[in-house]
Amino acid sequence: AQSVTQLDSHVSVSEGTPVLLRCNYSSSYSPSLFWYVQHPNKGLQLLLKYTSAATLVKGINGFEAEFKKSETSFHLTKPSAHMSDAAEYFCVVSDPGGYQKVTFGTGTKLQVIP
Amino acid sequence: GAVVSQHPSRVICKSGTSVKIECRSLDFQATTMFWYRQFPKQSLMLMATSNEGSKATYEQGVEKDKFLINHASLTLSTLTVTSAHPEDSSFYICSAAGQGAYGYTFGSGTRLTVV
Repeated sequence: AQSVTQLDSHVSVSEGTPVLLRCNYSSSYSPSLFWYVQHPNKGLQLLLKYTSAATLVKGINGFEAEFKKSETSFHLTKPSAHMSDAAEYFCVVSDPGGYQKVTFGTGTKLQVIP
Repeated sequence: GAVVSQHPSRVICKSGTSVKIECRSLDFQATTMFWYRQFPKQSLMLMATSNEGSKATYEQGVEKDKFLINHASLTLSTLTVTSAHPEDSSFYICSAAGQGAYGYTFGSGTRLTVV
């Protein structure tokens, strides 16, 4: 069975400082991994995805994530936080193939302090 | 790219009534659709998986008689919440998979409030 663990339920950063949201995965296969963002009372927006190509994945809005098989991690980073980044972030895993259900992590709420 | 449309985006209904939520694949044929639910301040949990022309497969703990899923065509799946109660108030979101699209293509979600 596949699963993801988001290590922090809340992260607080100052505007302009780096963001690190941590995610570890467990999968019987070489997984597909995703990060989504959900702003309050909104739907899901895909930030980036890893599907066995380059291990460093660049996404939208300056976010990127690195797939590290040895550490079973897929942490999300951004060099400089903006106020608009304040939201809930979900790490998501899927078995390979693409036509699969996905499993969500428990989410990390990012607070950006002015 | 693959687009999944979900309607309505918000719905308020009275307790005891039924509500139907539609999930459509706009530019591809969705052989499989997934329905997820998100309670306030919680993560998203898979409710059921539906394959076109087949009965849906429900996750443990999800009442199939309460949450009716129909996937009668390759572009449309519906979730009907029957005899809704306030505890069914939640954010419901679908995703679709098919040729050229993957199970991580989500609709925009439906916020259901039962009063």
